[in-house]
Amino acid sequence: NAGVTQTPKFQVLKTGQSMTLQCAQDMNHEYMSWYRQDPGMGLRLIHYSVGAGITDQGEVPNGYNVSRSTTEDFPLRLLSAAPSQTSVYFCASSYEAGYGYTFGSGTRLTVV
Amino acid sequence: GENVEQHPSTLSVQEGDSAVIKCTYSDSASNYFPWYKQELGKRPQLIIDIRSNVGEKKDQRIAVTLNKTAKHFSLHITETQPEDSAVYFCAAPGYNTDKLIFGTGTRLQVFP
Repeated sequence: NAGVTQTPKFQVLKTGQSMTLQCAQDMNHEYMSWYRQDPGMGLRLIHYSVGAGITDQGEVPNGYNVSRSTTEDFPLRLLSAAPSQTSVYFCASSYEAGYGYTFGSGTRLTVV
Repeated sequence: GENVEQHPSTLSVQEGDSAVIKCTYSDSASNYFPWYKQELGKRPQLIIDIRSNVGEKKDQRIAVTLNKTAKHFSLHITETQPEDSAVYFCAAPGYNTDKLIFGTGTRLQVFP
């Protein structure tokens, strides 16, 4: 039982490049979400999903896309990376929306 | 709008003293209030949570209290130890209870 697995752990992108942050969970959780963490700003919700095929926007969705084709996977896509997207990204899952989140280990992204 | 305010942003205490962190929320319909601890370079981890049908919950040296009338909840750590040093986040559901909104965090330092 690996919990929530995020890849990669570190990534450096050039402005304008695209990439996908991977998130997978093996706990059969219906609810998954993506947060970004910036100094002094806590954890801000980017996108979330309450089940396969269902996604919705959080507080800061601009510049990011998500999809949920399976219960296990919830990838986050950066369409055209900008320096403002330099951050630590956390994926989280829970058995029910809003309750008992389990976080992944995070992806530290730098956009230059 | 949806908002969770957390105070103080930093807190320094002597080992053995108590620490209190306070949060206020905006949506009176919120019914679940978790607290997360994040050690340096690691993922946030759930340490305690409370639901709106109780006013207080304890787990060894940590406790959370909830005042629904005033829309605030607090984390209390007694007999602090150096390993309690970390960033603590409170959270509450947004207007759409599928979303969990986090406070901006409190950096707790416990000096031996």
